[in-house]
Amino acid sequence: QVQLVESGGGVVQPGRSLRLSCTASGFPFSSYGIHWVRQAPGKGLEWVAVIWYDGSNEYIADSVKGRFTISRDNPKNTVYLQMSSLRAEDTAMYYCAREGPSSAHDIWGQGTMVTVSP
Amino acid sequence: IQLTQSPASLSASVGDRVTITCRASQGIDTFFAWYQQKPGKAPKLLIYDVSTLQGGVPSRFSGSGSGANFTLTISSLQPEDFASYFCQQLDYHPWTFGQGTKVEIK
Repeated sequence: QVQLVESGGGVVQPGRSLRLSCTASGFPFSSYGIHWVRQAPGKGLEWVAVIWYDGSNEYIADSVKGRFTISRDNPKNTVYLQMSSLRAEDTAMYYCAREGPSSAHDIWGQGTMVTVSP
Repeated sequence: IQLTQSPASLSASVGDRVTITCRASQGIDTFFAWYQQKPGKAPKLLIYDVSTLQGGVPSRFSGSGSGANFTLTISSLQPEDFASYFCQQLDYHPWTFGQGTKVEIK
């Protein structure tokens, strides 16, 4: 079935790095853009990053620009979110989502939790 | 673009008509979506292009609006609709979300 599965979350100390993965199945991965969206505990949704279907373009939210990068490996059906210089305020559930009709996010993964703590 | 969603929460009964609004800080074209999120679950796309229902979404959900003002309506609230709802604009980078509306049982 069509699905996205995130992995790579965990507990990390402030200032350290972490790489999240989003692996797709059930659809032609190389035809779709992929977004990352995060949600701090008890808070709303915050859009983080997007990468074009072919990796030719990307956008990063100002709140993480210069610290987070997004990339993809189409033969592996995987998008990555490389996070560096992590801060306590980066603590959140991180979701990847497929870019569907009119850029709306039509398929979501189950999320992977990142906790930044000493 | 900032999205101001209201109310932040509401209490309603099964069968009630519920309306949630989202106001943008500037005009938006038609790239506007609504999502439903239940506790511990990922968001689910309900509506895109302001008023187009995503496949499988019940017809009691509808979206409307233009310019800077958008609305999500649930015509007759069902037990499975108690959840949080988020609006999102996809017209301008960054693709911002509203703060969310929690729909609770009265």
